[in-house]
Amino acid sequence: NAGVMQNPRHLVRRRGQEARLRCSPMKGHSHVYWYRQLPEEGLKFMVYLQKENIIDESGMPKERFSAEFPKEGPSILRIQQVVRGDSAAYFCASSLSLTDTQYFGPGTRLTVL
Amino acid sequence: AQRVTQPEKLLSVFKGAPVELKCNYSYSGSPELFWYVQYSRQRLQLLLRHISRESIKGFTADLNKGETSFHLKKPFAQEEDSAMYYCALSPPGGAQKLVFGQGTRLTINP
Repeated sequence: NAGVMQNPRHLVRRRGQEARLRCSPMKGHSHVYWYRQLPEEGLKFMVYLQKENIIDESGMPKERFSAEFPKEGPSILRIQQVVRGDSAAYFCASSLSLTDTQYFGPGTRLTVL
Repeated sequence: AQRVTQPEKLLSVFKGAPVELKCNYSYSGSPELFWYVQYSRQRLQLLLRHISRESIKGFTADLNKGETSFHLKKPFAQEEDSAMYYCALSPPGGAQKLVFGQGTRLTINP
């Protein structure tokens, strides 16, 4: 099992552009979580998805951020019109079930110029 | 409010010495508690969770509900223990929506 995959590993965007971050969960996992880590801080929960459904998006900013986990393909975290404050490491995790351990990907480091 | 506090950003001990990484939490109820570790150039991985009551790589953690603490301990530190350690909690019954502390960078000196 290759583990949770995230791409790209590094992403540079200019202010106002869009950022798309991808996460492929571990084989057989249907629960996906996104976290954001700002410099010098711990990981902060953003959103929890199951296949085709957003279960909990209480940590997502109300504007510019969206997430999806389609029936086929990876989960996507989309940030529209990026600003400098969006610069952070974004981590994806997946689990087999609601009570199972979350396995983390290597993260995507987003830099907004 | 749900909160996890790791009071030490940096902790340095000598090889063979005991190590304790502190974690305090705030939660109205009985959360599940975890310790995650990130070794250099590796991804974040689960070290242990309190419901398992396991000892992983010589580390143990006891949940003290009275003090709302979940400190991580190891009696004899090894150089390969050098890493970033994160304490986290989640609502009871599931591992969703983890709330993380800021992390403690542990350095084991030879």
